[in-house]
Amino acid sequence: GAGVSQSPSNKVTEKGKDVELRCDPISGHTALYWYRQRLGQGLEFLIYFQGNSAPDKSGLPSDRFSAERTGESVSTLTIQRTQQEDSAVYLCASSQREMSQETQYFGPGTRLLVL
Amino acid sequence: AQSVTQLGSHVSVSEGALVLLRCNYSSSVPPYLFWYVQYPNQGLQLLLKYTSAATLVKGINGFEAEFKKSETSFHLTKPSAHMSDAAEYFCAVRRNSGNTPLVFGKGTRLSVIA
Repeated sequence: GAGVSQSPSNKVTEKGKDVELRCDPISGHTALYWYRQRLGQGLEFLIYFQGNSAPDKSGLPSDRFSAERTGESVSTLTIQRTQQEDSAVYLCASSQREMSQETQYFGPGTRLLVL
Repeated sequence: AQSVTQLGSHVSVSEGALVLLRCNYSSSVPPYLFWYVQYPNQGLQLLLKYTSAATLVKGINGFEAEFKKSETSFHLTKPSAHMSDAAEYFCAVRRNSGNTPLVFGKGTRLSVIA
């Protein structure tokens, strides 16, 4: 596709339920990033992938959060036993390579609301 | 560690007036610096980036930013605001080596008044 896509665009769930968020990066981009954007806050780094490996998981807020990437393409961010503080916009980005000066291209995000 | 401070969570300018959005960074090593724009219900879009070439960087939509090492600043400017510039703007910093995450500021919402 032309850009990064994410699904669903909106997700409302009940506290305690698990959710899966999907990211389709730009074709050929080897690096993929997940960020969280809480209301009125900047973007908070969660995790990044180089190929299918995740060298840096330092941003995951708790062990309820996990992510995987397959085929050096699609990535899934899973939040188990959701809490109200997980409510946020989850943004995915990809870049052609994992280098500091590379531009990251962002998807439109998934808005998660935990009731 | 790197950090970014954006002064002013909300800036309001008149159409045709100068736009100035402030960004100061903290980095123990030479940084790469980025400005992203986020329109309502859309993802972030890169406006411009500094990667240690020219200190004055020109971006899309008439925006530019100047890297000033002595002031640890990377302010975003546009000579004449347009209604379509109304959006959220984020400054971000990253180390110029190693695999470290992009660190974002909290953002500045720009309103343009007709």
